[in-house]
This record gives sequence, structure tokens and C-alpha cells, in this order.
Amino acid sequence: DAKTTQPPSMDCAEGRAANLPCNHSTISGNEYVYWYRQIHSQGPQYIIHGLKNNETNEMASLIITEDRKSSTLILPHATLRDTAVYYCIALNSGGSNYKLTFGKGTLLTVNP
Amino acid sequence: NAGVMQNPRHLVRRRGQEARLRCSPMKGHSHVYWYRQLPEEGLKFMVYLQKENIIDESGMPKERFSAEFPKEGPSILRIQQVVRGDSAAYFCASSPKLVQGTQPQHFGDGTRLSIL
Repeated sequence: DAKTTQPPSMDCAEGRAANLPCNHSTISGNEYVYWYRQIHSQGPQYIIHGLKNNETNEMASLIITEDRKSSTLILPHATLRDTAVYYCIALNSGGSNYKLTFGKGTLLTVNP
Repeated sequence: NAGVMQNPRHLVRRRGQEARLRCSPMKGHSHVYWYRQLPEEGLKFMVYLQKENIIDESGMPKERFSAEFPKEGPSILRIQQVVRGDSAAYFCASSPKLVQGTQPQHFGDGTRLSIL
């Protein structure tokens, strides 16, 4: 699975959009980009995933660049409850694709 | 994280005792995964099970650790003769079928194991 790189921390004002970047320059054609988050003392929570196209669900939007070397997770209206560590994970669609590899992620702090 | 149920949430054991961690997957899910999170570290894969089968235990320590997912009942992660280094948060995840890049794993809230 491709290595991903994320900034260690970010701040966002409550009510504003939070844009979390992720670099995955070595991603291969069959690797999906997954986003999870972990709020303190809880288990990881699945947010969204995508392969090539931009994706949107009730939680967030995922924007993947055309060359697939990077992506951005967008929380459109951040709330205090969105304060968490966000993980970007590249996961292939075959083989041992169940081994999620959690790096250090990005600590997003939403400020009032 | 509604759906995947883990118990107990907190478990305290003395060195040398046994620890049993339980995980009930989401309804309709037949695949279970265990991860361990050591203090200040990311989650690390331990084992992947289907009903009555261990599919991949490459992340399990060679000794003292075992896992099962019986035909009936929850999945169990068992740690024998616990040591201080086993202190960690243990998370279980489940999915409806082998993740083919399109089916995310859903996690429980974990068991915090503390060894005295």
C-alpha cells in the first residue's frame, strides 16, 4: 500500500470549512483512498473513501486530484465535535487489503 | 461507534493473569479484525478472522496471544500471562465481506487493558 503524508496538526474555526490534505504520490491504480478519524477515547470512525472521482456523503467530501497523487478531505461546516485525529489511508483492492495502516494522522482542532 | 460492541471497555489485570476481550460484530458482518494501539502510537493490525477460521494472524505476537471467532457468539482475543507491555487499547472492527477496496471496516470503541 502506498505511503501517505499528512500535516501533524491543523486548526479550524467553528462553522468554517476544514480542508485536510493528504499526499500519496506513490499510489497505484487499484488503491483506494480511505479517511478515518479517531476522537479521543473512541475507536476509529469511517468517514469516506474514493478511487478516482470526487465523493460526498453526509459527513464530508473527498477531492482527489486528477493524477491521484494527493487528496483533500473537506468538512464543510466544522463543529467542536469534529476535533479528532484524521487518518488518510491508501488501500489496494486486492491481496491483503484488510490491513489498515494507521500513521500519525492530522490532529484537527476546531476552535470556538 | 454504533454497531460493533466490545466489552469490557476497561480491563485491569495483574501480571501473569489472563485477559479475555470480546467483540460482537455489526449485524450481518461475518468478518472480524483486531487491532492494537499502544500509547502514543497508531493502530496496528493483529488478526483477521471469519466464522470459525483464522484468515491472517501475521500481526499477532507469537506467544501468549490467541483469537477465535466461533460459529456462535462473539470473537474473543485472549492474552495469557499478561505483562506490562500488553497495556494498550485493543480495537475490533467488522465488515460484511472481505474488503475489496469498497467495503469499509467499522470499529468498536475498544477495550483499554491495563496491567498492574
